[in-house]
Amino acid sequence: NAGVTQTPKFQVLKTGQSMTLQCAQDMNHNSMYWYRQDPGMGLRLIYYSASEGTTDKGEVPNGYNVSRLNKREFSLRLESAAPSQTSVYFCASSDKGAGTDTQYFGPGTRLTVL
Amino acid sequence: AQSVTQLDSQVPVFEEAPVELRCNYSSSVSVYLFWYVQYPNQGLQLLLKYLSGSTLVESINGFEAEFNKSQTSFHLRKPSVHISDTAEYFCAVSGPRSYNTDKLIFGTGTRLQVFP
Repeated sequence: NAGVTQTPKFQVLKTGQSMTLQCAQDMNHNSMYWYRQDPGMGLRLIYYSASEGTTDKGEVPNGYNVSRLNKREFSLRLESAAPSQTSVYFCASSDKGAGTDTQYFGPGTRLTVL
Repeated sequence: AQSVTQLDSQVPVFEEAPVELRCNYSSSVSVYLFWYVQYPNQGLQLLLKYLSGSTLVESINGFEAEFNKSQTSFHLRKPSVHISDTAEYFCAVSGPRSYNTDKLIFGTGTRLQVFP
C-alpha cells in the first residue's frame, strides 16, 4: 500500500516549457487535490476532483489544467511554465472529501522554472 | 468565506518545555477545524481534527487542541515537546457545516523548532 505517489520528485523547466505532474493513489479514494506550497503562504488549492469525472477550480487555478484520468490518477499540467510557478506541488486524496475527512498527501514535487 | 490566521511563523522552544501554537479562524458560520503537521521534506499528515462533540481533541503523540467558539480559536498545545516534534504545523478550516464541503483553507504555517 503506497498511499499517494507523485512523479517526478524534482523538475527544472525553462520559461515557456510545458510539463505534467503525475499523481496516483491506491486507497480507492473519491476526492483528489492539487496544492502548491510557497514560503510564508501555506498551502493553496489549485484544482480538485470530488469524484471521478469531475474537476473544479481552487484558489489559484490560473496557468494550470488538470485531468482526472480514472479514480486512481489525477494529473496537473503546466502548458507554458512561468517563474511564478516555481513551487512545491502536493497531491492529496481523501475518501469523503477534505472538508471532514482526513487528507493523505504525497511527498511533493519541487519545481523550478528559470 | 473562511480564513485562518496562524499568529506565529516560528516558535523556538527547548526540549521538555510546553508549547502553544496559535490559530484563529474567521467565519460567520460553524466550521470544522484541523491541524496538519509537515516533517522536513515530507507531505502533510493529519494531527487532529474537531468535527463535533467534545471541544478538546487529542492526538496520539501528546498534542491537544481546544475549540473555542467565542474566541474563534483552535490553539494547539503540548505539555512537553521532544526533538522529534520539530516540524511545520498548519491549521486548517472547512465549512460551513450546513453544506457538504470538499475543501480546506490552510493557514500560513508555524515552524516549531525544538532545541536540546
